[in-house]
Amino acid sequence: GAVVSQHPSRVICKSGTSVKIECRSLDFQATTMFWYRQFPKQSLMLMATSNEGSKATYEQGVEKDKFLINHASLTLSTLTVTSAHPEDSSFYICSAVRTGTDTQYFGPGTRLTVL
Amino acid sequence: GENVEQHPSTLSVQEGDSAVIKCTYSDSASNYFPWYKQELGKRPQLIIDIRSNVGEKKDQRIAVTLNKTAKHFSLHITETQPEDSAVYFCAASSKGGGNKLTFGTGTQLKVEL
Repeated sequence: GAVVSQHPSRVICKSGTSVKIECRSLDFQATTMFWYRQFPKQSLMLMATSNEGSKATYEQGVEKDKFLINHASLTLSTLTVTSAHPEDSSFYICSAVRTGTDTQYFGPGTRLTVL
Repeated sequence: GENVEQHPSTLSVQEGDSAVIKCTYSDSASNYFPWYKQELGKRPQLIIDIRSNVGEKKDQRIAVTLNKTAKHFSLHITETQPEDSAVYFCAASSKGGGNKLTFGTGTQLKVEL
């Protein structure tokens, strides 16, 4: 199989705090992981591409200083939402690409609510 | 960049009927076209994919067709069942684009008894 986990599954935080979300590929190595954001009843919007051992590549309009991405190993990428505000409330989903392939396997998502 | 359009946004069919969802893409370099099924609050699940060197692919009740010339691809679900009810997303990517997926806007499929 190709299992991707995310932690936490749900988080509620106060405005101004930072939240870290972890994405792990459990049974395969992933040189590349992607981070998406999905608002209610909308499609998945790519935020950034996370490459192991190098800086993430951010999509246009996504603030790299607000959404910090670290991909320190072939099985783990983290997304930190810094100084979160209510408008950052969303469903954050990661995906991992098995090294040598192009198929993306998605994590279960993290529901972030900023009060 | 790539732009993927998807139609219809909602689709209601009777159980046992067929459902067809259509997508168009803009980037002629795109060569990989997956389809995902997403239930409410859950992760997208890959249900079928097709690459640009193939015109059609089938997996039991699900089939996908690709017309590279017209830059469109379609998902066909036959003998629909209530458990097929979900949101379906098409997507497109190219190797030259770092395998980034551009998603369509989604189709809410409802299979009625």
